[in-house]
Amino acid sequence: ELVLTQSPGTLSLSPGEGATLSCRASQSVSSSYLGWYQQRPGQAPRLLIFGASGRATGIPDRFSGSGSGTDFTLTISRLEPEDFAVYYCQHYGSSFTFGPGTRVDIK
Amino acid sequence: QVQLQESGPGLVKPSDTLSLNCTVSGISMSHSFWSWIRQTPGKGLEWIGYIHSDGTTDYNPSLKSRLTVSLDTSRTQFSLNLNSVTAADAAIYYCARLVYPYGIDFWGQGTLVTVSS
Repeated sequence: ELVLTQSPGTLSLSPGEGATLSCRASQSVSSSYLGWYQQRPGQAPRLLIFGASGRATGIPDRFSGSGSGTDFTLTISRLEPEDFAVYYCQHYGSSFTFGPGTRVDIK
Repeated sequence: QVQLQESGPGLVKPSDTLSLNCTVSGISMSHSFWSWIRQTPGKGLEWIGYIHSDGTTDYNPSLKSRLTVSLDTSRTQFSLNLNSVTAADAAIYYCARLVYPYGIDFWGQGTLVTVSS
């Protein structure tokens, strides 16, 4: 069974700073089916990144994804106030697994 | 404008069947995997299952024995039926569209389901 682990659990940063979020898979997965989602309080998750590095429609270029195999990264280059949220990675290949999330909150 | 809207009872009794509908508008139901996902504070986001527009289904193994997902393209709806619910099934339930290679690109707003007598 595929397990996705995200780190850190919480990231406390200031607006304008950069953020690096990690997603590690318990076994090698296809990067073609690795996605990242943002969830703001009271809202449904929103697709940010597909295929490990593709930016979804309407997503600002301060969001970028990278990685392959078992290690994937979501980078937010300069945090805007609306970016403080919870971020989840997901594999949507042969299994459909979400990571536990990383909360990015205001320092 | 693409919209997915969940509907159904917010309160279900233990051992009863949870039935939810998702009405889809603004987008064709073809060539997509129509999915159910739930979220709890304890277990986070959990994929429940999907039905493809061709009728193929795939379910979370942990729920498979209690779960049915169906599709009514004429009414642009798909549905979830989960029987023999327990307190562990209390969650926010989301309907969503999964499309390859993009992932889950459209989500409903979510509906809170409580399990209590």
